[in-house]
Amino acid sequence: DAKTTQPTSMDCAEGRAANLPCNHSTISGNEYVYWYRQIHSQGPQYIIHGLKNNETNEMASLIITEDRKSSTLILPHATLRDTAVYYCIVRVGHSSASKIIFGSGTRLSIRP
Amino acid sequence: DVKVTQSSRYLVKRTGEKVFLECVQDMDHENMFWYRQDPGLGLRLIYFSYDVKMKEKGDIPEGYSVSREKKERFSLILESASTNQTSMYLCASSGDYWTSGGIIRQFFGPGTRLTVL
Repeated sequence: DAKTTQPTSMDCAEGRAANLPCNHSTISGNEYVYWYRQIHSQGPQYIIHGLKNNETNEMASLIITEDRKSSTLILPHATLRDTAVYYCIVRVGHSSASKIIFGSGTRLSIRP
Repeated sequence: DVKVTQSSRYLVKRTGEKVFLECVQDMDHENMFWYRQDPGLGLRLIYFSYDVKMKEKGDIPEGYSVSREKKERFSLILESASTNQTSMYLCASSGDYWTSGGIIRQFFGPGTRLTVL
């Protein structure tokens, strides 16, 4: 699975959009981009995934560059409850092992 | 929604004790996983299972064993607990490629914080 690079920490004002970048320059054609987050003292939670098109769901939007070497997770109206560590993961969607390799992630702090 | 439950949120054991961590999922998922999470090391895969009675070693299986007698239950066993096994243990499950539309995503339990004294 491809390696990802994320900033160690970010902060954002409550009510504003939080944009979390991720670099995955070695991504291959059959690898998907997944985002998870982990709120303190809880297990990781799936947010969104995509292959090459931009995706949106009730939690967030995912923007993937045309060359697929980077992506941005957007939380459109951040709240204090969005304070968490956000993990960007790149992996083959149909991997039989279904393993997820978590990096260090980005610690997002939402300020009131 | 998928629910993954773990038997305890907090557990304190003594060195040398045998420890059982239980995980149950209610979505008929084929795949189940055990991770441990330590500061600065992220999540590391201990064992996973892709079917009843099937298991495969992850990245750090030493000192652990697992049991999957029923599809919904995956147990992690520390045969003789040691202080370096003090950690947060996370269980996860996922449906297989075919039933999940070709996309694998994992659902995690709340975690068990184990302290070995």
